[in-house]
Amino acid sequence: TQLLEQSPQFLSIQEGENLTVYCNSSSVFSSLQWYRQEPGEGPVLLVTVVTGGEVKKLKRLTFQFGDARKDSSLHITAAQPGDTGLYLCAGPYGGATNKLIFGTGTLLAVQP
Amino acid sequence: DARVTQTPRHKVTEMGQEVTMRCQPILGHNTVFWYRQTMMQGLELLAYFRNRAPLDDSGMPKDRFSAEMPDATLATLKIQPSEPRDSAVYFCASGLVPDSHGYTFGSGTRLTVV
Repeated sequence: TQLLEQSPQFLSIQEGENLTVYCNSSSVFSSLQWYRQEPGEGPVLLVTVVTGGEVKKLKRLTFQFGDARKDSSLHITAAQPGDTGLYLCAGPYGGATNKLIFGTGTLLAVQP
Repeated sequence: DARVTQTPRHKVTEMGQEVTMRCQPILGHNTVFWYRQTMMQGLELLAYFRNRAPLDDSGMPKDRFSAEMPDATLATLKIQPSEPRDSAVYFCASGLVPDSHGYTFGSGTRLTVV
């Protein structure tokens, strides 16, 4: 059982379209992070959201943390081929040890 | 830019052989993670160190895997003996806790056990 479920698993869209990726859990997280991973490389941190209801923008990417801190979303406006990659949410879990666990991932392909 | 360095980038080995993967975390970071990534399981946490002390290795098969931090500049993940099911990409990540800026990942070691 995955603590962080992401949807959709796969998404193929045309350049210029908008999309939203979801990260859901039945557990409360003190914060959630979003990473993007390109082929042959490790995940790269995009953003950390900490406060319930928080919205952060990074150019065409908008991240939101749910009010109850159990879910998060990533919205991309006018997607570009450079947005192609695996999007991963992650959060600290495990009480005092605070280990970082990852979601199931969303593989996004943006066609030119 | 500071980076996490992993070696080797690729490793092909025969079943039963010992494999050692190395990671040089970013200087000053106090937390190091080892993850394994496969298509089926995604990113699985194997081991986790804070200030060089192991905090959690519950995700690691204890009979064949071991993780150590002999000093602050080196983390190692060893598999002995290796099996085909260990084939995966192994990532090391480091970060500074407490800190809300997330973790920096290395480029990974792609391990193939034949």
